Amino acid sequence: AQSVAQPEDQVNVAEGNPLTVKCTYSVSGNPYLFWYVQYPNRGLQFLLKYITGDNLVKGSYGFEAEFNKSQTSFHLKKPSALVSDSALYFCAVRALYNNNDMRFGAGTRLTVKP
Amino acid sequence: EAGVTQSPTHLIKTRGQQATLRCSPISGHTSVYWYQQALGLGLQFLLWYDEGEERNRGNFPPRFSGRQFPNYSSELNVNALELEDSALYLCASSLRGSLNQPQHFGDGTRLSIL
Repeated sequence: AQSVAQPEDQVNVAEGNPLTVKCTYSVSGNPYLFWYVQYPNRGLQFLLKYITGDNLVKGSYGFEAEFNKSQTSFHLKKPSALVSDSALYFCAVRALYNNNDMRFGAGTRLTVKP
Repeated sequence: EAGVTQSPTHLIKTRGQQATLRCSPISGHTSVYWYQQALGLGLQFLLWYDEGEERNRGNFPPRFSGRQFPNYSSELNVNALELEDSALYLCASSLRGSLNQPQHFGDGTRLSIL
């Protein structure tokens, strides 16, 4: 079965600095990888996905993620953080072989300080 | 395009009661997913419905059940409510068989058990 790990519960960065939110996955076969963001009292919003092709994926709000097959990682990045980026971020994985199952990581709380 | 809508926004019940949560998917989406997000925890997969049938179920007791209607809207029913059922319940929808497409989430129903 597939699984996702987000090794950091909390990430703190200063506004204007680059940010990275880490995600590693475990899956048999080729993964479909997703990042979502959740603001307080809201549902999850889709940020970006990796299906195939270029390892660097660009998404909404200036976020991007890099797929690294050898390290089984899919880290979320942004060159310059904004205070408004403060939220809960979830990584998710799907595998081709299973029953449409999407597994989410435990989430990483990003705090961007002015 | 209207997003996924969930009702009610908040629901307060007491132990032993029954709760019904509702979800309307994005137009054209036939798959509906239910997740439980307890405070401080990640998303736990509950149920997946597609074309009116239950396709997959997470590790939850049978008192968690649901159904999908011909218009693809869905209900989640929780019987014999327990204090630990207090959580945000999120509904998501997607196109059937679209493993490379993200799930789109509603803003959830916050269920509080007193």
